[in-house]
Amino acid sequence: DTAVSQTPKYLVTQMGNDKSIKCEQNLGHDTMYWYKQDSKKFLKIMFSYNNKELIINETVPNRFSPKSPDKAHLNLHINSLELGDSAVYFCASSQDLVQGGEKLFFGSGTQLSVL
Amino acid sequence: AQTVTQSQPEMSVQEAETVTLSCTYDTSENNYYLFWYKQPPSRQMILVIRQEAYKQQNATENRFSVNFQKAAKSFSLKISDSQLGDTAMYFCAFMMGGGADGLTFGKGTHLIIQP
Repeated sequence: DTAVSQTPKYLVTQMGNDKSIKCEQNLGHDTMYWYKQDSKKFLKIMFSYNNKELIINETVPNRFSPKSPDKAHLNLHINSLELGDSAVYFCASSQDLVQGGEKLFFGSGTQLSVL
Repeated sequence: AQTVTQSQPEMSVQEAETVTLSCTYDTSENNYYLFWYKQPPSRQMILVIRQEAYKQQNATENRFSVNFQKAAKSFSLKISDSQLGDTAMYFCAFMMGGGADGLTFGKGTHLIIQP
């Protein structure tokens, strides 16, 4: 069973479209994250949720909106896609935000290409 | 804000050799954790090794070990008896105690193991 699964793995779309990436974890973890990896492979946190509550919201355009319907899911919705949004988006989860230092389990990434 | 610096964009060694990847970080915190993640061409993020800052003993995982120098804020990764499957991007990462900010990554080192 995949611990952190995200769909789709690849997403090709036109500028201006709205798209969503789904993420689910079956580890029973409390905390979930979205990371963006740019074309130079640099990974940067976008959001984190702990027990469905937003904890971190880095400087990300408000076209990006995370949604956590329950503790096991954290979806990412992107409005009005731009060329610069092309990247690989990783979902991740960890056991306990409070304790800290917990290993992050990553999904396999979604490669978004905006044409 | 914490920063993580990996000064070697790319390294190449022969199979069976030992290689050391460097990482330095900057923080004013005393309670934190350090990680090395591996990203092979499959794109999956794989945890290689984890170190708690309050532990003086260097972490080891089979062929992988770290040299953690807290005063110098240095956290290098040594890979012994390198194998072709070690070819990947390697990311050094920092997390504060409490994990509220998630992982802060370095820009990565592309390690190539030559046959």
